[in-house]
Amino acid sequence: EAGVAQSPRYKIIEKRQSVAFWCNPISGHATLYWYQQILGQGPKLLIQFQNNGVVDDSQLPKDRFSAERLKGVDSTLKIQPAKLEDSAVYLCASSLDWGLGEETQYFGPGTRLLVL
Amino acid sequence: TQLLEQSPQFLSIQEGENLTVYCNSSSVFSSLQWYRQEPGEGPVLLVTVVTGGEVKKLKRLTFQFGDARKDSSLHITAAQPGDTGLYLCAGARDSNYQLIWGAGTKLIIKP
Repeated sequence: EAGVAQSPRYKIIEKRQSVAFWCNPISGHATLYWYQQILGQGPKLLIQFQNNGVVDDSQLPKDRFSAERLKGVDSTLKIQPAKLEDSAVYLCASSLDWGLGEETQYFGPGTRLLVL
Repeated sequence: TQLLEQSPQFLSIQEGENLTVYCNSSSVFSSLQWYRQEPGEGPVLLVTVVTGGEVKKLKRLTFQFGDARKDSSLHITAAQPGDTGLYLCAGARDSNYQLIWGAGTKLIIKP
């Protein structure tokens, strides 16, 4: 079974530039998560999708971050404009169906972002 | 805000030693998960504990869920260099099944 795919693996940009990350979850998984993980910390949930609807985006800095999952499969996370403090690893995870209590999450390898 | 506190934050020991890391909260969780994350990779689920007092073993790793379902521990026997990584605990809340994450314990096993 293929795992969660993410691209790119690494990205270096200058502050105020834009960047986008892509995630393809495990086939058949209804729930998709984007996390931000700053060095030395645990993952922080940015946004959770159930199919193509948003379940929770309370910790997403909406003035600069946006995410979509238009067809309920793959997803993109965008930062515009980036700040120095956005330097982190952005993890995508999926689970079979959060609504049924299937909370086991499977993670992709992450995208490591460095903002200069 | 419900928090999961992990201790120690960092641990470096010699191969063959035993160790225990802790995950504590003042809140009750319906279940608690332990993940291991290696550099450059996403977290990988090791185990899920659900019942208060539950003990699960995974080879040299022993996981315990506290009786009150507020805390958990991970004990590693005869640690090996392959055990090196960031160990994260995450608790699920009954209300919405979302995971609350600890900050992790960074473990280094020296050969």
